[in-house]
Amino acid sequence: EAAVTQSPRSKVAVTGGKVTLSCHQTNNHDYMYWYRQDTGHGLRLIHYSYVADSTEKGDIPDGYKASRPSQENFSLILELASLSQTAVYFCASSVGGPNYAEQFFGPGTRLTVL
Amino acid sequence: GEQVEQRPPHLSVREGDSAVITCTYTDPNSYYFFWYKQEPGASLQLLMKVFSSTEINEGQGFTVLLNKKDKRLSLNLTAAHPGDSAAYFCAVSDPITGNTGKLIFGLGTTLQVQP
Repeated sequence: EAAVTQSPRSKVAVTGGKVTLSCHQTNNHDYMYWYRQDTGHGLRLIHYSYVADSTEKGDIPDGYKASRPSQENFSLILELASLSQTAVYFCASSVGGPNYAEQFFGPGTRLTVL
Repeated sequence: GEQVEQRPPHLSVREGDSAVITCTYTDPNSYYFFWYKQEPGASLQLLMKVFSSTEINEGQGFTVLLNKKDKRLSLNLTAAHPGDSAAYFCAVSDPITGNTGKLIFGLGTTLQVQP
């Protein structure tokens, strides 16, 4: 069964601090995604990647960077965390290629920026 | 680009009643559709994926209907039970970005099933 794990599961950060959220998948999937979930906004795509060492901007990339050092790992980096980045963050992976491939989601990371 | 509108945002039904959640999309070239279920505090789990070549898809206790003419996707829980209480999200594959697998999500529907 597909497995996507995220760490940490929750984090409290200070405004202006650096935050790194990590995602690891054992599905051998090429595509990985980072979303944030906010009440009233559903899921919004931040960054995605279809191959190691390459990332693409999603719909709301401002304030976030992404890193894909290997097929299995995909990180989301907040260089200067802000209050508005308080949200739940989900990582997902998919086979990609044909665009019918469903995405498998990780358990989420609850980030609180104070 | 593609836009997805999901209704209603909140839905409360009694056990045994049916519950219908509807999504409308804008791009007629959209071809792949998904329904995800998110239980409280949990991640999203795929409920069903639908291809535009099939208009009716049945799962365990629910039916998904796709009306391509009206660009409408619906999830019908035929006899809801308390275990169905969750948030439900529709998602549409983005026809513009093609093979990236990018999905456009609806805002979600919080379903509460009263015993």
